[in-house]
Amino acid sequence: DSGVTQTPKHLITATGQRVTLRCSPRSGDLSVYWYQQSLDQGLQFLIHYYNGEERAKGNILERFSAQQFPDLHSELNLSSLELGDSALYFCASSAGERQGSYGYTFGSGTRLTVV
Amino acid sequence: AQTVTQSQPEMSVQEAETVTLSCTYDTSENNYYLFWYKQPPSRQMILVIRQEAYKQQNATENRFSVNFQKAAKSFSLKISDSQLGDTAMYFCALPRGGADGLTFGKGTHLIIQP
Repeated sequence: DSGVTQTPKHLITATGQRVTLRCSPRSGDLSVYWYQQSLDQGLQFLIHYYNGEERAKGNILERFSAQQFPDLHSELNLSSLELGDSALYFCASSAGERQGSYGYTFGSGTRLTVV
Repeated sequence: AQTVTQSQPEMSVQEAETVTLSCTYDTSENNYYLFWYKQPPSRQMILVIRQEAYKQQNATENRFSVNFQKAAKSFSLKISDSQLGDTAMYFCALPRGGADGLTFGKGTHLIIQP
């Protein structure tokens, strides 16, 4: 157990729907990063939150949004889902605002399947 | 923009052999860190080893070591005495800079044969 908790582990939904993925960072970590892993695009950085505030955006679609709550858990909202959004979504956490020398601790991911 | 290239999509070796996975990268940063992550069939991303770019000494973690050549922007991972449990996807990663995340290579699928 890495200490980073992601729920649900699997999610199957239809095109056009909206889903919410949840992440609880490791105890003491203030940063949460979201990544998407797909067969064609590989692992791509989506967004970074630090202590409740957005810090950086990567290749995140406008249909996607995220937030980090006062208790530091984060949610990734995916709307108007398309078949191409099917992927493994990872959350990772780190102590500081920048991942520094220790990289991240990853959760086990949420497998999203859009049908 | 940072780029990370892993030129070996798949490798297969016998148990107990030594294997080297290649990674080249490009960055405009001067001080940075490099990482190797392992993703076994369980899908969990596990940090294997990290290297600080300003340190000339190559990092070592038990059976895992790196060959870091800063001028050539090369960061290869050597696994000694490979074990069946080393079977996984291996990703090389480089920070995007600032508060951004990591840029990952496409990965190398390593298969350890019994």
